[in-house]
Amino acid sequence: AQTVTQSQPEMSVQEAETVTLSCTYDTSESNYYLFWYKQPPSRQMILVIRQEAYKQQNATENRFSVNFQKAAKSFSLKISDSQLGDTAMYFCAFMSNSGYALNFGKGTSLLVTP
Amino acid sequence: DTGVSQDPRHKITKRGQNVTFRCDPISEHNRLYWYRQTLGQGPEFLTYFQNEAQLEKSRLLSDRFSAERPKGSFSTLEIQRTEQGDSAMYLCASSNSTVEENYGYTFGSGTRLTVV
Repeated sequence: AQTVTQSQPEMSVQEAETVTLSCTYDTSESNYYLFWYKQPPSRQMILVIRQEAYKQQNATENRFSVNFQKAAKSFSLKISDSQLGDTAMYFCAFMSNSGYALNFGKGTSLLVTP
Repeated sequence: DTGVSQDPRHKITKRGQNVTFRCDPISEHNRLYWYRQTLGQGPEFLTYFQNEAQLEKSRLLSDRFSAERPKGSFSTLEIQRTEQGDSAMYLCASSNSTVEENYGYTFGSGTRLTVV
Protein backbone atom coordinates (compact mmCIF):
# COMPACT_ATOMS: atom_id res chain seq x y z
CA ALA A 1 0.00 0.00 0.00
CA GLN A 2 1.17 3.49 -0.75
CA THR A 3 1.98 5.71 2.19
CA VAL A 4 2.09 9.48 2.24
CA THR A 5 4.13 11.35 4.84
CA GLN A 6 3.83 15.00 5.77
CA SER A 7 6.56 15.70 8.29
CA GLN A 8 5.46 19.20 9.27
CA PRO A 9 2.37 19.13 11.51
CA GLU A 10 2.24 22.94 11.76
CA MET A 11 3.77 25.84 9.91
CA SER A 12 3.46 29.59 10.08
CA VAL A 13 4.24 32.26 7.53
CA GLN A 14 3.79 36.00 7.33
CA GLU A 15 1.51 37.54 4.77
CA ALA A 16 3.19 38.09 1.38
CA GLU A 17 6.01 35.66 2.20
CA THR A 18 6.68 32.30 0.59
CA VAL A 19 6.25 28.96 2.34
CA THR A 20 7.00 25.38 1.29
CA LEU A 21 5.11 22.37 2.60
CA SER A 22 6.80 18.98 2.38
CA CYS A 23 5.40 15.63 1.29
CA THR A 24 7.05 12.30 0.62
CA TYR A 25 5.41 9.11 -0.52
CA ASP A 26 6.23 5.48 -1.01
CA THR A 27 5.20 3.49 -4.07
CA SER A 28 6.55 0.88 -6.42
CA GLU A 29 4.46 2.18 -9.33
CA SER A 30 5.82 4.32 -12.13
CA ASN A 31 2.60 6.04 -13.15
CA TYR A 32 0.46 7.76 -10.57
CA TYR A 33 -1.04 11.09 -9.59
CA LEU A 34 -0.25 13.42 -6.73
CA PHE A 35 -2.49 16.09 -5.27
CA TRP A 36 -2.49 18.89 -2.75
CA TYR A 37 -5.82 19.61 -1.09
CA LYS A 38 -6.66 22.57 1.14
CA GLN A 39 -9.17 22.26 3.99
CA PRO A 40 -10.03 25.61 5.60
CA PRO A 41 -11.46 25.51 9.13
CA SER A 42 -14.97 24.05 9.07
CA ARG A 43 -15.08 24.14 5.31
CA GLN A 44 -14.86 21.64 2.50
CA MET A 45 -11.72 20.21 1.03
CA ILE A 46 -10.62 21.93 -2.16
CA LEU A 47 -8.17 20.71 -4.79
CA VAL A 48 -5.19 23.06 -4.98
CA ILE A 49 -2.94 21.42 -7.53
CA ARG A 50 -2.39 18.11 -9.29
CA GLN A 51 0.70 16.46 -10.78
CA GLU A 52 0.92 13.49 -13.13
CA ALA A 53 3.99 11.38 -12.41
CA TYR A 54 4.82 10.86 -16.09
CA LYS A 55 5.11 14.61 -16.64
CA GLN A 56 8.49 16.06 -15.77
CA GLN A 57 7.27 19.64 -15.72
CA ASN A 58 6.19 20.85 -12.30
CA ALA A 59 2.56 21.89 -12.04
CA THR A 60 1.70 25.52 -11.35
CA GLU A 61 -1.61 27.17 -10.43
CA ASN A 62 -1.28 30.91 -9.88
CA ARG A 63 0.53 31.36 -6.53
CA PHE A 64 0.79 27.62 -5.97
CA SER A 65 3.51 25.46 -7.48
CA VAL A 66 5.02 22.07 -6.76
CA ASN A 67 8.52 20.67 -6.75
CA PHE A 68 8.09 17.09 -7.92
CA GLN A 69 11.16 14.92 -7.50
CA LYS A 70 10.14 11.47 -8.77
CA ALA A 71 13.36 9.67 -7.90
CA ALA A 72 13.28 11.03 -4.37
CA LYS A 73 9.50 10.45 -4.14
CA SER A 74 9.05 14.00 -2.97
CA PHE A 75 6.20 16.37 -3.79
CA SER A 76 6.43 19.72 -2.02
CA LEU A 77 4.00 22.62 -2.34
CA LYS A 78 5.22 26.20 -2.58
CA ILE A 79 2.82 29.02 -1.80
CA SER A 80 4.06 32.40 -2.98
CA ASP A 81 2.78 35.77 -1.77
CA SER A 82 0.89 34.10 1.09
CA GLN A 83 -2.52 35.51 1.91
CA LEU A 84 -4.59 35.32 5.09
CA GLY A 85 -7.08 33.16 3.21
CA ASP A 86 -4.41 30.52 2.73
CA THR A 87 -4.75 29.60 6.40
CA ALA A 88 -5.92 25.98 6.35
CA MET A 89 -4.94 22.34 6.68
CA TYR A 90 -3.07 21.16 3.61
CA PHE A 91 -3.16 17.50 2.66
CA CYS A 92 -0.90 15.72 0.23
CA ALA A 93 -2.52 12.75 -1.51
CA PHE A 94 -1.53 9.91 -3.82
CA MET A 95 -3.62 8.08 -6.39
CA SER A 96 -2.51 5.05 -8.37
CA ASN A 97 -2.85 5.25 -12.15
CA SER A 98 -5.12 2.20 -12.03
CA GLY A 99 -6.99 3.26 -8.92
CA TYR A 100 -9.60 5.59 -7.66
CA ALA A 101 -8.89 5.90 -3.93
CA LEU A 102 -6.85 8.78 -2.60
CA ASN A 103 -4.25 8.03 0.07
CA PHE A 104 -3.82 11.10 2.22
CA GLY A 105 -1.06 12.25 4.51
CA LYS A 106 -1.86 13.50 8.00
CA GLY A 107 -1.81 17.09 6.90
CA THR A 108 0.07 20.30 7.66
CA SER A 109 -1.70 23.11 9.46
CA LEU A 110 -0.64 26.41 7.88
CA LEU A 111 -1.21 29.71 9.63
CA VAL A 112 -0.73 32.93 7.70
CA THR A 113 -0.18 35.90 9.99
CA PRO A 114 -0.52 39.62 9.22
CA ASP B 1 -25.50 22.45 -9.70
CA THR B 2 -23.69 23.89 -6.72
CA GLY B 3 -21.40 20.99 -5.87
CA VAL B 4 -21.50 17.98 -3.59
CA SER B 5 -24.11 18.30 -0.84
CA GLN B 6 -24.12 16.38 2.41
CA ASP B 7 -26.84 16.18 4.98
CA PRO B 8 -26.87 16.64 7.92
CA ARG B 9 -23.85 18.84 8.64
CA HIS B 10 -23.74 17.68 12.24
CA LYS B 11 -25.20 14.67 14.03
CA ILE B 12 -25.05 13.84 17.72
CA THR B 13 -26.27 10.40 18.64
CA LYS B 14 -26.24 8.10 21.61
CA ARG B 15 -24.10 5.00 21.52
CA GLY B 16 -26.02 2.08 20.09
CA GLN B 17 -28.30 4.15 17.88
CA ASN B 18 -28.38 3.93 14.09
CA VAL B 19 -27.57 6.94 11.94
CA THR B 20 -27.88 7.62 8.22
CA PHE B 21 -26.11 10.26 6.18
CA ARG B 22 -26.96 11.45 2.70
CA CYS B 23 -24.76 12.66 -0.12
CA ASP B 24 -25.90 14.30 -3.35
CA PRO B 25 -23.06 14.35 -5.87
CA ILE B 26 -22.57 16.70 -8.78
CA SER B 27 -25.25 15.60 -11.21
CA GLU B 28 -23.03 14.62 -14.12
CA HIS B 29 -20.57 12.71 -11.93
CA ASN B 30 -20.87 8.94 -12.15
CA ARG B 31 -18.42 8.11 -9.37
CA LEU B 32 -19.10 8.65 -5.69
CA TYR B 33 -16.79 8.07 -2.73
CA TRP B 34 -17.11 8.01 1.04
CA TYR B 35 -14.19 8.88 3.31
CA ARG B 36 -13.82 9.15 7.07
CA GLN B 37 -11.65 11.77 8.74
CA THR B 38 -10.80 11.63 12.43
CA LEU B 39 -9.25 14.50 14.35
CA GLY B 40 -5.67 15.17 13.36
CA GLN B 41 -5.70 12.70 10.49
CA GLY B 42 -6.15 12.80 6.77
CA PRO B 43 -9.27 11.32 5.22
CA GLU B 44 -9.40 7.53 4.90
CA PHE B 45 -11.15 5.75 2.05
CA LEU B 46 -14.30 3.82 2.96
CA THR B 47 -16.10 2.90 -0.24
CA TYR B 48 -16.66 3.77 -3.88
CA PHE B 49 -19.55 3.60 -6.34
CA GLN B 50 -19.58 3.79 -10.09
CA ASN B 51 -23.14 4.59 -11.01
CA GLU B 52 -25.21 2.33 -8.73
CA ALA B 53 -22.58 -0.37 -8.32
CA GLN B 54 -20.50 -0.47 -5.15
CA LEU B 55 -17.13 -1.51 -6.53
CA GLU B 56 -14.84 -1.34 -3.54
CA LYS B 57 -15.08 -1.38 0.24
CA SER B 58 -12.23 -0.67 2.62
CA ARG B 59 -11.49 -2.94 5.54
CA LEU B 60 -12.38 0.08 7.64
CA LEU B 61 -15.99 -0.48 6.64
CA SER B 62 -17.13 -2.97 9.25
CA ASP B 63 -20.37 -4.90 8.93
CA ARG B 64 -22.10 -2.18 10.94
CA PHE B 65 -21.62 0.15 7.98
CA SER B 66 -23.63 -0.02 4.79
CA ALA B 67 -23.72 2.29 1.82
CA GLU B 68 -26.11 2.46 -1.08
CA ARG B 69 -26.49 4.48 -4.22
CA PRO B 70 -29.88 3.64 -5.72
CA LYS B 71 -30.29 4.61 -9.36
CA GLY B 72 -26.76 5.97 -9.41
CA SER B 73 -27.76 9.35 -8.00
CA PHE B 74 -27.59 10.22 -4.30
CA SER B 75 -25.94 7.92 -1.79
CA THR B 76 -26.61 7.02 1.82
CA LEU B 77 -24.19 5.78 4.45
CA GLU B 78 -25.75 4.02 7.43
CA ILE B 79 -23.99 3.12 10.64
CA GLN B 80 -25.79 0.65 12.87
CA ARG B 81 -25.23 0.32 16.62
CA THR B 82 -22.92 3.32 16.72
CA GLU B 83 -19.82 3.25 18.91
CA GLN B 84 -17.79 6.14 20.29
CA GLY B 85 -15.01 5.21 17.87
CA ASP B 86 -17.33 6.07 15.00
CA SER B 87 -17.10 9.75 15.94
CA ALA B 88 -15.55 11.42 12.92
CA MET B 89 -16.18 13.60 9.90
CA TYR B 90 -17.72 11.60 7.06
CA LEU B 91 -16.82 13.07 3.70
CA CYS B 92 -18.46 12.39 0.38
CA ALA B 93 -16.85 13.16 -2.95
CA SER B 94 -17.70 12.68 -6.59
CA SER B 95 -15.92 12.59 -9.93
CA ASN B 96 -16.59 11.90 -13.58
CA SER B 97 -14.79 8.97 -15.14
CA THR B 98 -15.68 10.12 -18.64
CA VAL B 99 -13.64 13.27 -18.19
CA GLU B 100 -9.88 13.24 -17.83
CA GLU B 101 -9.12 10.42 -15.45
CA ASN B 102 -7.67 10.98 -12.04
CA TYR B 103 -8.24 14.68 -12.01
CA GLY B 104 -9.18 14.49 -8.36
CA TYR B 105 -12.50 14.70 -6.68
CA THR B 106 -14.97 17.36 -5.64
CA PHE B 107 -15.63 16.99 -1.93
CA GLY B 108 -18.69 17.88 0.07
CA SER B 109 -18.53 19.75 3.36
CA GLY B 110 -18.93 16.56 5.35
CA THR B 111 -21.14 15.28 8.13
CA ARG B 112 -19.62 15.49 11.59
CA LEU B 113 -20.79 12.61 13.76
CA THR B 114 -20.44 12.68 17.52
CA VAL B 115 -21.36 9.53 19.43
CA VAL B 116 -21.98 10.14 23.13
